[in-house]
Amino acid sequence: DQQVKQNSPSLSVQEGRISILNCDYTNSMFDYFLWYKKYPAEGPTFLISISSIKDKNEDGRFTVFLNKSAKHLSLHIVPSQPGDSAVYFCAASPTGNQFYFGTGTSLTVIP
Amino acid sequence: DAGVTQSPTHLIKTRGQHVTLRCSPISGHKSVSWYQQVLGQGPQFIFQYYEKEERGRGNFPDRFSARQFPNYSSELNVNALLLGDSALYLCASSFDVGGYTDTQYFGPGTRLTVL
Repeated sequence: DQQVKQNSPSLSVQEGRISILNCDYTNSMFDYFLWYKKYPAEGPTFLISISSIKDKNEDGRFTVFLNKSAKHLSLHIVPSQPGDSAVYFCAASPTGNQFYFGTGTSLTVIP
Repeated sequence: DAGVTQSPTHLIKTRGQHVTLRCSPISGHKSVSWYQQVLGQGPQFIFQYYEKEERGRGNFPDRFSARQFPNYSSELNVNALLLGDSALYLCASSFDVGGYTDTQYFGPGTRLTVL
């Protein structure tokens, strides 16, 4: 039973444009959400987080939006750069417990 | 500052064998979690340890076990290896204070191949 879903396996975006990666979850107990970036043969690298008390968190070019009523979060990357090409995972956790990961979205930024 | 380290980087075993994977957390982090990632999937939670005690266990068979040492490093053991155990095994550490969820930082992983 996949509690965190990333329905787009891949996404291609032109350099300089906005990349929007989406994630849906089913468990209303999730209260902390993370986005990770992963290159082949490396572990996931933490990008940005958001707790359920907020609906937006921004860090440089990365912004995460949380819509609790829709059980949906999204990661916006503006402007997109070729170095952003990687697989992006969203992860969610109920308080003090394990993280559940989505299946990932492979982002390609075209120069 | 050193991040999460894992050893070995790669490992090849045959069915039925046993394997031990090792992880050293970020200095000051007291919680270690183990994940299994198979190709095309996201990481799947196996175990979480905090202050040397098991705090969570995912849906994995009893062939999988783990422990955490006084220096907060951790081992993941898998007995009676099956072909389906071939995966990237990831270790993540977090600071964790009093039960609230904290960001987990991942190591580079150990690539296990079972032949």
